Amino acid sequence: EVQLVESGGDLVQPGRSLRLSCAASGFTFDDYAMHWVRQVPGKGLEWVSGISWNSGRMGYADSVKGRFTISRDNAKNSLYLQMNSLRAEDTALYYCAKASGGGIDRPGDLWGQGTMVTVSS
Amino acid sequence: QAGLTQPPSVSKDLRQTATLTCTGNSNNVGNQGAAWLQQHQGHPPKLLSYRGNNRPSGISERFSASRSGNTAYLTITGLQPEDEADYYCSTWDSSLSVQVFGGGTKLTVL
Repeated sequence: EVQLVESGGDLVQPGRSLRLSCAASGFTFDDYAMHWVRQVPGKGLEWVSGISWNSGRMGYADSVKGRFTISRDNAKNSLYLQMNSLRAEDTALYYCAKASGGGIDRPGDLWGQGTMVTVSS
Repeated sequence: QAGLTQPPSVSKDLRQTATLTCTGNSNNVGNQGAAWLQQHQGHPPKLLSYRGNNRPSGISERFSASRSGNTAYLTITGLQPEDEADYYCSTWDSSLSVQVFGGGTKLTVL
């Protein structure tokens, strides 16, 4: 079955760190770029970061640049998001999405169910 | 980072046609076109179309996408109750080197 399963979401205090994971199955993971997209409940979608098929290109939204790091392990069919210096405004449901091609300019065509990150003291 | 502009809500009658709009600029929609995603309450987004009018497998032909200048369109014909959802456009901004999303349009089928 083609699917993406996110994990790692939690309640954390401001300033702390968290690492999200996304396990992919059912497709050739290293053929495709991957994205992290977040959504505050009841609000719209916000692109967070993307990584190309071979990790040669990564991109970040200005709101997370310098604090978040995206990475992937093609041998493990896994995508990661290291989130440091978390802020209250990072509170959201974080989705992992498979891109429709190998570059981060391609849209997400397969989405996981999301993992919730809550930043609060 | 500047996003794409979508009307917050659209209401149409059952079996009618709805056309949703998404306006950007020459660095995003005008250059790359737009992808369209559908999201039902409590569910992840689902890709409806990308790169012009390419539909992923399983997406109904009732959904069609087009573009004119810096505005992208999603047309949904023969509206059904299950089409009631939030619709987002997205694309790559070649100037900012980021993916950008529209704020979403809530489609109500009357």
